[in-house]
Amino acid sequence: AQSVSQHNHHVILSEAASLELGCNYSYGGTVNLFWYVQYPGQHLQLLLKYFSGDPLVKGIKGFEAEFIKSKFSFNLRKPSVQWSDTAEYFCAVISFSGGYNKLIFGAGTRLAVHP
Amino acid sequence: GAGVSQSPSNKVTEKGKDVELRCDPISGHTALYWYRQSLGQGLEFLIYFQGNSAPDKSGLPSDRFSAERTGGSVSTLTIQRTQQEDSAVYLCASTTGLAGNYEQYFGPGTRLTVT
Repeated sequence: AQSVSQHNHHVILSEAASLELGCNYSYGGTVNLFWYVQYPGQHLQLLLKYFSGDPLVKGIKGFEAEFIKSKFSFNLRKPSVQWSDTAEYFCAVISFSGGYNKLIFGAGTRLAVHP
Repeated sequence: GAGVSQSPSNKVTEKGKDVELRCDPISGHTALYWYRQSLGQGLEFLIYFQGNSAPDKSGLPSDRFSAERTGGSVSTLTIQRTQQEDSAVYLCASTTGLAGNYEQYFGPGTRLTVT
């Protein structure tokens, strides 16, 4: 079964610091990868996704992620975080089975950005 | 257009009571998912609907949990004889169901507290 690991459960940064959140997945075949964000009191929103093509994916709000197949990784990055980036971040992979699909999520990383 | 809506937003119930949680997907989305977000547990897949049928119920944690979908639209997740460990945020997501379109749109969730 596919699984997703997010290594950092809590991250605390100061504004303007650079961010990198780790994500590793277990499946060796074709993968479809996502990063979702949940701001305090809000619902899950898609930050970015990778299906194929350029392994460096640009998302909303200045986020990007790099798919590295050899490392089974899809790390999320932002060069300079803002206080408004305080949120919980979830990495997810599509699991295909029996002709349909579902999202397998990592445990999430809580990011706190201090002004 | 309108997003995924869920009701109620919060539900407090006594242990042993039954609860019903409702999800209204985006109009025209044929695929509907239920997930559970428990404190410190990340997001856990519960059940998937394509139209009115549920080809994947593998995530339902016990036979106290059931779900149905009528008219290819609204879905209800029912938890019978609630237990304290059922306390969580229950999230619903929908997607078009078209091949290759895997982005899931999430509702705001229902926070269930079992006392």
